[in-house]
Amino acid sequence: DTEVTQTPKHLVMGMTNKKSLKCEQHMGHRAMYWYKQKAKKPPELMFVYSYEKLSINESVPSRFSPECPNSSLLNLHLHALQPEDSALYLCASSPQESGNTIYFGEGSWLTVV
Amino acid sequence: GENVEQHPSTLSVQEGDSAVIKCTYSDSASNYFPWYKQELGKRPQLIIDIRSNVGEKKDQRIAVTLNKTAKHFSLHITETQPEDSAVYFCAASSYTRGNQFYFGTGTSLTVIP
Repeated sequence: DTEVTQTPKHLVMGMTNKKSLKCEQHMGHRAMYWYKQKAKKPPELMFVYSYEKLSINESVPSRFSPECPNSSLLNLHLHALQPEDSALYLCASSPQESGNTIYFGEGSWLTVV
Repeated sequence: GENVEQHPSTLSVQEGDSAVIKCTYSDSASNYFPWYKQELGKRPQLIIDIRSNVGEKKDQRIAVTLNKTAKHFSLHITETQPEDSAVYFCAASSYTRGNQFYFGTGTSLTVIP
């Protein structure tokens, strides 16, 4: 089973709102990721958590704040976003940090108005 | 850092014909090369992968070849079907870079019935 579940599937938020995206996996994977994807573009890495610790932050603006409460959960807190942040946000996980396939969740479609 | 180039950006083939997508990479430390298929509105899904100690791998109608010396790898789809229509992304990763994946720019494949 390679299931990574994300909620919500769709989110519309205003530029002053605070919202969160949630991701869960029960495969025992120890690395979890947030990617951002614009239409017809490849996924862009935002954050990597390895063993529940933030290991990579790709210079993402502070209006995006990741959180890893435990080895199965990953959140992305959103605050004061801009319309250009509208995109598909993909969570992914992999068995360990190095040299393994990453499995993507269904994604959360975010629209900032 | 790694740079992955992917060609062509769009590809149209008649049903039953073969399709070939090519990627090149720059970092000789890259040792894992997955291919993802992304249908419209859906998540990227792993379809096949290859590691640097292998030159070719096949899975039914799909095959991947790797030339480490030339630093390129290719996806081959034979007997294409309309359901193969999607965007395909190649990627490269290395143990030395954690599990940071570098994606190609994508190929939009259309299989014409």
